[in-house]
Amino acid sequence: KNEVEQSPQNLTAQEGEFITINCSYSVGISALHWLQQHPGGGIVSLFMLSSGKKKHGRLIATINIQEKHSSLHITASHPRDSAVYICAVDFGNEKLTFGTGTRLTIIP
Amino acid sequence: NAGVMQNPRHLVRRRGQEARLRCSPMKGHSHVYWYRQLPEEGLKFMVYLQKENIIDESGMPKERFSAEFPKEGPSILRIQQVVRGDSAAYFCASSPKLGDTQYFGPGTRLTVL
Repeated sequence: KNEVEQSPQNLTAQEGEFITINCSYSVGISALHWLQQHPGGGIVSLFMLSSGKKKHGRLIATINIQEKHSSLHITASHPRDSAVYICAVDFGNEKLTFGTGTRLTIIP
Repeated sequence: NAGVMQNPRHLVRRRGQEARLRCSPMKGHSHVYWYRQLPEEGLKFMVYLQKENIIDESGMPKERFSAEFPKEGPSILRIQQVVRGDSAAYFCASSPKLGDTQYFGPGTRLTVL
């Protein structure tokens, strides 16, 4: 069965802390996406990965294909990073299967 | 290059009415995906379309729901005889080719009274 699990469900941290959000999936994939959903509901695509590591500003995404695991890291976190972060996986059939999301709150 | 556009952003319908949700993909994108986010739940795939073709509708309820992506104009998600359980946020995403990044629209929030 194609499943995606995220942890933690909720994360509260102080401004400046290093943040890690994890995503595990059940079977082989063709790509993994990290998405950000703002409090207003809009969704932004942050990364699409099929191997290795990608970096954009303070955001870093890594994927380990053998372990079926990906992490999203935020360095020097800021209150504006507060959002729901969603892992979504393409199991090779072009439709995304989503994790339940991690609600991140950064306190000033 | 404008992003993915969806309209309306908010739609209120009474039970039994029809809801029509529109999605204009980014310029040059021929792949469109519809997703639904029920209140307090995660996103779920509904349907994947390319121009004039439904490729995968395995996530769409068999009754009352239909989708199209005509040669000209936006993709339409149509819900007939809406019920309260249809209240949700409906997101459209588009991509330029198979296996590429999907870009999401702002969503349409449907409320059924």
